[in-house]
Amino acid sequence: NAGVTQTPKFRILKIGQSMTLQCTQDMNHNYMYWYRQDPGMGLKLIYYSVGAGITDKGEVPNGYNVSRSTTEDFPLRLELAAPSQTSVYFCASSYLAGGPNTGELFFGEGSRLTVL
Amino acid sequence: GENVEQHPSTLSVQEGDSAVIKCTYSDSASNYFPWYKQELGKRPQLIIDIRSNVGEKKDQRIAVTLNKTAKHFSLHITETQPEDSAVYFCAASIGGGFKTIFGAGTRLFVKA
Repeated sequence: NAGVTQTPKFRILKIGQSMTLQCTQDMNHNYMYWYRQDPGMGLKLIYYSVGAGITDKGEVPNGYNVSRSTTEDFPLRLELAAPSQTSVYFCASSYLAGGPNTGELFFGEGSRLTVL
Repeated sequence: GENVEQHPSTLSVQEGDSAVIKCTYSDSASNYFPWYKQELGKRPQLIIDIRSNVGEKKDQRIAVTLNKTAKHFSLHITETQPEDSAVYFCAASIGGGFKTIFGAGTRLFVKA
């Protein structure tokens, strides 16, 4: 299993441009998440999905959109990029079935985005 | 909304000493409390977790305690080693792992 794969790893955007960060997982996890991590800071939840066709806002959703058309993929769209969106973005997945051994987040390697 | 506070933000210890990181959470519905370790430039990885029906859990040199009444939980690392140097994040979630919210992190330095 490759786990959680994110692309691209690095990207520089100009203010006002748009882009999509791709995330795919091959672990058949039902839950997927997008977090951002600013330098020296913790992880802030942007959006999450509990299954195909279902998404919801996290702590910091403004300026982003997501979709979940399949179990495997959870792309994050940035519209009209702003310098405040400069950050490292982590996609994660987890398997929740109500049992005692679920809940661990499996992270991708991260995507470093700079908006100039 | 949910909030997780973590202290201290930086912790420096001598090799062999113990390190303690403390967190508080706001949502009384939280029932799953994982701890993640993030090495420089890497992704966070789970090191230990605890559920609300347990007060303490231990795995070799690391242990976590939970006080549901006070909404406190702590990470204890004993016999610290230089390779323990990293950023540690506490987190809390409802539904056993659903919608996990993270603390701001603690940067641990272990001096040889």
